[in-house]
Amino acid sequence: AQRVTQPEKLLSVFKGAPVELKCNYSYSGSPELFWYVQYSRQRLQLLLRHISRESIKGFTADLNKGETSFHLKKPFAQEEDSAMYYCALRETSYDKVIFGPGTSLSVIP
Amino acid sequence: NAGVTQTPKFHILKTGQSMTLQCAQDMNHGYLSWYRQDPGMGLRRIHYSVAAGITDKGEVPDGYNVSRSNTEDFPLRLESAAPSQTSVYFCASILGASGKTRDTQYFGPGTRLTVL
Repeated sequence: AQRVTQPEKLLSVFKGAPVELKCNYSYSGSPELFWYVQYSRQRLQLLLRHISRESIKGFTADLNKGETSFHLKKPFAQEEDSAMYYCALRETSYDKVIFGPGTSLSVIP
Repeated sequence: NAGVTQTPKFHILKTGQSMTLQCAQDMNHGYLSWYRQDPGMGLRRIHYSVAAGITDKGEVPDGYNVSRSNTEDFPLRLESAAPSQTSVYFCASILGASGKTRDTQYFGPGTRLTVL
């Protein structure tokens, strides 16, 4: 069955430290992977998607098909990065998006 | 454009009461979904609609009904609320309604529902 796992429920890092939010998936086809972010009391918004290979707000994520991972990384965490982060997988059949349980990132000043 | 809007923002229900959560989008998107967000569970899809007049069940549809009479609106109805339906509900929309489009999914601000 398709699933997305995020092993850390909570992650705390100091400002300026590197941060990595882990995401692993299981899917038999070629998935499309996303990271969504939800700041306090705000709606979910797309942070980045693997097909774009872009860097948003200093975050990057590389799809590793061999390890079935899509970890989110940032070299220097900022206080404004504190938020809930969700990894998501969209099946190639399009009509289903599977979300991971989320990781709450807290950046300590 | 207002994007995806949801009303109300907060609501408290008693067990057995009924309630309709409203979702509207003004982006002419075809594909709309309702999700519930629970701690440690991520987002789980309740129902979705690929176009007006067409709805289908998501992964956790029990206890919920939807309708899609036009492109803009996608209300979610709880006929007889239960405490297990206490959650934050998000409506989301995507432009494309079929095929392998790579459109972005836009989320509404959410409705925080408590069932006592």
